[in-house]
Amino acid sequence: DIVMTQSPTSMSISVGDRVTMNCKASQNVGSNVDWYQQKTGQSPKLLIYKASNRYTGVPDRFTGSGSGTDFTFTISNMQAEDLAVYYCMQSNSYPYTFGAGTKLELK
Amino acid sequence: EVQLQQSGAELVKPGASVKLSCKTSGYTFSNYYMSWLKQMPGQNIEWIGNIYGGNGGTGYNQKFKGKATLTVDKSSSTAYMDLSSLTSEDSAVYFCARQRGSLAYWGQGTLVTVSS
Repeated sequence: DIVMTQSPTSMSISVGDRVTMNCKASQNVGSNVDWYQQKTGQSPKLLIYKASNRYTGVPDRFTGSGSGTDFTFTISNMQAEDLAVYYCMQSNSYPYTFGAGTKLELK
Repeated sequence: EVQLQQSGAELVKPGASVKLSCKTSGYTFSNYYMSWLKQMPGQNIEWIGNIYGGNGGTGYNQKFKGKATLTVDKSSSTAYMDLSSLTSEDSAVYFCARQRGSLAYWGQGTLVTVSS
């Protein structure tokens, strides 16, 4: 199985901050990485698909980049409603696998 | 509007089985795969497997073979997951999610608690 190593595990941030997190795949997954946001008690929500494509209705402060084994997710201007856990997921091969998540907390 | 409505929370005894449902609406059920996923409290998300709405063809994560069985009822646009021989390690929230590469639509999740 492909291992997705996500970092950091958590971040203490302030509203307005630029937030960057990373995901490293244990083998080449092309551009087949998605990023999901999960708020407490809710289902995950797709934000970015195929590494860099913003899903319908997702604000442009959310961006993704990368290919191969290294991927980055950025929130350019952190808002209070962005407090959540963010997961990367590879859909290049079965079984789909997720990173362990990055939890964003207020400083 | 695409909707995935999952069945309610379950409290089941160790060794028992449980069948979860995911009733869909707002799209052509037979044109998509449905994935099922597991999330233990405060933990990572695991992909259990998927099933194609058109012909019921399935694919499983090796880890969940023998534990989970996926089926569909095309007439009601509903996907099901049977979980067998339940233990405390099966206590988790289980999600269904419509799959086309990415998982763009998710159900609200079903909490399964295994306890005597």
